Amino acid sequence: GNSVTQMEGPVTLSEEAFLTINCTYTATGYPSLFWYVQYPGEGLQLLLKATKADDKGSNKGFEATYRKETTSFHLEKGSVQVSDSAVYFCALSDPNFNKFYFGSGTKLNVKP
Amino acid sequence: DAGVIQSPRHEVTEMGQEVTLRCKPISGHNSLFWYRQTMMRGLELLIYFNNNVPIDDSGMPEDRFSAKMPNASFSTLKIQPSEPRDSAVYFCASSLGSTGQNEKLFFGSGTQLSVL
Repeated sequence: GNSVTQMEGPVTLSEEAFLTINCTYTATGYPSLFWYVQYPGEGLQLLLKATKADDKGSNKGFEATYRKETTSFHLEKGSVQVSDSAVYFCALSDPNFNKFYFGSGTKLNVKP
Repeated sequence: DAGVIQSPRHEVTEMGQEVTLRCKPISGHNSLFWYRQTMMRGLELLIYFNNNVPIDDSGMPEDRFSAKMPNASFSTLKIQPSEPRDSAVYFCASSLGSTGQNEKLFFGSGTQLSVL
């Protein structure tokens, strides 16, 4: 079946620290992979996506590379800001099932 | 574009009462999804529609839950009767095509439901 597993939070970092949030997946087809971000009191917003193996998605300084060999899509940012504090969700879209599968979310707290 | 609009933002009700959540998707989007978010279970897909037709309702927890999409610009999620364990944030999302086309989802701000 399809599933997404991401590291548990919360993750607490100081401003300008390096961020990694791990995400691994299982899929029966050829999924697209996504990172969504949820700010307090809001719905989820697409942060970045990658549609095939070795693609790198990037946005707002965040990056993630679609690694088929390790079934991973880890989120990274070189220097986090307080405004990056949010919950981050890894997700996959399986065209065979017309569904999105979301991970459990990882809360990031960035301290000044 | 106003985005996906959900109402109400907050709903507090007593056990046994009927609850109706509403959603207006982005104009032109033909797929609509209802999700439930809780601390224990994270984000769960309840049901999704494509061109106003329910495609997959396997995530609907039980018969107390029902969803309709009478037209392309409106959907409802109803819980009758409501129970305290239904307390959660309910999100509506829409997309331009089916997720089979790897379209991204646009989420509403959610409805915070509290059943006392």
